[in-house]
Amino acid sequence: AQSVTQLDSQVPVFEEAPVELRCNYSSSVSVYLFWYVQYPNQGLQLLLKYLSGSTLVKGINGFEAEFNKSQTSFHLRKPSVHISDTAEYFCAVMGIQGAQKLVFGQGTRLTINP
Amino acid sequence: DSGVTQTPKHLITATGQRVTLRCSPRSGDLSVYWYQQSLDQGLQFLIQYYNGEERAKGNILERFSAQQFPDLHSELNLSSLELGDSALYFCASSATSVPGEQYFGPGTRLTVT
Repeated sequence: AQSVTQLDSQVPVFEEAPVELRCNYSSSVSVYLFWYVQYPNQGLQLLLKYLSGSTLVKGINGFEAEFNKSQTSFHLRKPSVHISDTAEYFCAVMGIQGAQKLVFGQGTRLTINP
Repeated sequence: DSGVTQTPKHLITATGQRVTLRCSPRSGDLSVYWYQQSLDQGLQFLIQYYNGEERAKGNILERFSAQQFPDLHSELNLSSLELGDSALYFCASSATSVPGEQYFGPGTRLTVT
């Protein structure tokens, strides 16, 4: 079984500041890792994914994440945020073998202040 | 627009009732997933169907059931509703070629009074 812990439930930052949203996971098997974003009153949208290869993955809207196997982490970063990045961000894992089901963290609400 | 449609957008019903939520996946996607999002439980996987067959089951209550029809649309049936079933229910679809890349619909907000 897998589990995901998002260490911050809310992160407020000023516009154009850098941001890091933290995610740690637990799994007894190898996993794929994902970040999804949920804008207000919308469904979730895939930001980026780590399947294999380079541990630094780039996604849409200028976001990137780094997979750290030893620390079982997959933190999301953006060097300069914009008001439009205000949303809820979900880290998720999926076991490489077995059912293709996503296990989500509790979410981090990112609020961008002008 | 993800290409996944869900109806209805909102549903208000009383305890003990039964409702059906409908989902149409993206064109060509064979897999459909159902998720429940609530304040206390977060986003939880309920069930997956692939080309009409149940593929995986998560934290789905016995009062809940789902099916996927030959045209690939899916329905989630919730019965004997309780106040605690109030939540946002999402449907997602995917192509099998890319693990975890799921396309989510806008959700159905269920309120049980």
